[in-house]
Amino acid sequence: DTGVSQNPRHKITKRGQNVTFRCDPISEHNRLYWYRQTLGQGPEFLTYFQNEAQLEKSRLLSDRFSAERPKGSFSTLEIQRTEQGDSAMYLCASSLQPSSSAFFGQGTRLTVV
Amino acid sequence: DQQVKQNSPSLSVQEGRISILNCDYTNSMFDYFLWYKKYPAEGPTFLISISSIKDKNEDGRFTVFLNKSAKHLSLHIVPSQPGDSAVYFCAASYVEGADGLTFGKGTHLIIQP
Repeated sequence: DTGVSQNPRHKITKRGQNVTFRCDPISEHNRLYWYRQTLGQGPEFLTYFQNEAQLEKSRLLSDRFSAERPKGSFSTLEIQRTEQGDSAMYLCASSLQPSSSAFFGQGTRLTVV
Repeated sequence: DQQVKQNSPSLSVQEGRISILNCDYTNSMFDYFLWYKKYPAEGPTFLISISSIKDKNEDGRFTVFLNKSAKHLSLHIVPSQPGDSAVYFCAASYVEGADGLTFGKGTHLIIQP
């Protein structure tokens, strides 16, 4: 197991297009988190899953954002009708309950032009 | 409003000396605190954590101190090494393992030879 894996590493898209990112957590980790990080800021919590159940969503997660974890393993984060303000690094993390020492992936850098 | 504050955007320390990174929080409901380290183009890496029932936690060269009454925590690195040059994020959560983390903006630590 090589840790949390995120794909793609980089994504450039035109405003208005839809994008989808994938996260493969560390196997056996039942918690999976999505964060967003913009320049000069720390990661901001978006949402998290316990197995396949989405348990919490931040107010940052507008209705253009949707996340799934259908079988409790990998997760996808989709952004519909992208806007320039969506440009950021999207980070995925996973952890074993009840530990808070989540392990992060390398992130997907989204640029909306 | 920022609930976790790291007021020093950068800190320069000589190799071999002690590095002290500070973090303040405003939400008294936070119960669990973590430090993450981040190199460029990588995701954050967990370093050390502390529960609010403790005031100190040590792991090798890293020690975290928590002052609940002052809502302040600090990370001490001694002795500082060149590989410690990175951005350090302070993070907090309400209950260990319960939900997403609230991060500070980070402090860029530069270890000078």
